[in-house]
Amino acid sequence: QKEVEQNSGPLSVPEGAIASLNCTYSDRGSQSFFWYRQYSGKSPELIMSIYSNGDKEDGRFTAQLNKASQYVSLLIRDSQPSDSATYLCAVNKIPPGGAGSYQLTFGKGTKLSVIP
Amino acid sequence: EPEVTQTPSHQVTQMGQEVILRCVPISNHLYFYWYRQILGQKVEFLVSFYNNEISEKSEIFDDQFSVERPDGSNFTLKIRSTKLEDSAMYFCATETGGNTEAFFGQGTRLTVV
Repeated sequence: QKEVEQNSGPLSVPEGAIASLNCTYSDRGSQSFFWYRQYSGKSPELIMSIYSNGDKEDGRFTAQLNKASQYVSLLIRDSQPSDSATYLCAVNKIPPGGAGSYQLTFGKGTKLSVIP
Repeated sequence: EPEVTQTPSHQVTQMGQEVILRCVPISNHLYFYWYRQILGQKVEFLVSFYNNEISEKSEIFDDQFSVERPDGSNFTLKIRSTKLEDSAMYFCATETGGNTEAFFGQGTRLTVV
């Protein structure tokens, strides 16, 4: 059974702080990793994808991947109230660009609340 | 900005009835997916579709479910005889393939009563 585990939260951080979101996955064959943001009642929006061990930065967001530990994280710097949402970690056994690249296994998500 | 369009936004149906959920992909997208999210639960993969056939399907996607692209534009999910536990948000996602982002539609909330 392929599992993606996330702390459901809520994670509360003050405005301007760093929010740290974590995810572990069980399938060692996983090759593609994604972070989505989902506002209540809305569809998931892709924030970042990461495929190689290490860090990947995009604006205020940094994704970190450690395949040996089967661990993915997302850091949000200078958190804003508009970042308040549920953050979904998703993984895929298909390599990036392969057919069905978005056949994803999602975690339940971590609810982030940024306090003004 | 191009977007994936899903209709209807909300559908209420009686148990045992058939429903068809519709998705209009972005025009140059070739890969299509259906996901569902039961209220308070995780997003779950149902099926992927490419070149007019199913590529992969999950154990959720049983004989009650079917997908097709009837007219070369719409991508539909049919649930033959709905059950109470089919109540969920259903998301369509589409992509061009080749290491690009998949775009999710806004979803159809299906309520089975």
